[in-house]
Amino acid sequence: KNQVEQSPQSLIILEGKNCTLQCNYTVSPFSNLRWYKQDTGRGPVSLTIMTFSENTKSNGRYTATLDADTKQSSLHITASQLSDSASYICVVSTGGSYIPTFGRGTSLIVHP
Amino acid sequence: GAVVSQHPSRVICKSGTSVKIECRSLDFQATTMFWYRQFPKQSLMLMATSNEGSKATYEQGVEKDKFLINHASLTLSTLTVTSAHPEDSSFYICSARGGLAGETGELFFGEGSRLTVL
Repeated sequence: KNQVEQSPQSLIILEGKNCTLQCNYTVSPFSNLRWYKQDTGRGPVSLTIMTFSENTKSNGRYTATLDADTKQSSLHITASQLSDSASYICVVSTGGSYIPTFGRGTSLIVHP
Repeated sequence: GAVVSQHPSRVICKSGTSVKIECRSLDFQATTMFWYRQFPKQSLMLMATSNEGSKATYEQGVEKDKFLINHASLTLSTLTVTSAHPEDSSFYICSARGGLAGETGELFFGEGSRLTVL
């Protein structure tokens, strides 16, 4: 069964600090992995998308890594800001049909 | 980037009535659209997958007669919650794939629709 596990479930950090969110998956065959940011009461917004051959991809203060061998991905947030407070969702799609499997998300709270 | 519009963003209805939520891809043709439900502080739960011109595929446990999905064109899918009850109150989100997404299968999400059933 295709599964995406995210950790931690929730995280509280101080403004300016860095943090790393984890995503482990068992989706097969693998097509791509995406990280989304979802603000409360809003739709998810794409941060990064990574295919099998990509190991790292950055989007501003967000850097995603992918290890296709261990089926793990991480999202690193640098110099966190209050506006980073949101839910971060990892989505892995299967090859061909691109059927997405969603992680349960990590809730990040950045305190001043 | 691609834009997906959902309407209405908020709706309040009486128990027993039906509510329709629209999902439109504004600048690309969405061959596939997905509908999700999200309870407070929980992740997205996929309800159904709809492909243009064909019947939607519902996830296990989702009542197809309760949640009617129509994907009549490449830019519009609708979700109708029939005979709504208070337990149907939730945040409903759509996503669309196709067109500009190319071979990556990129998903673009709508802003969501908050349904409150009194």
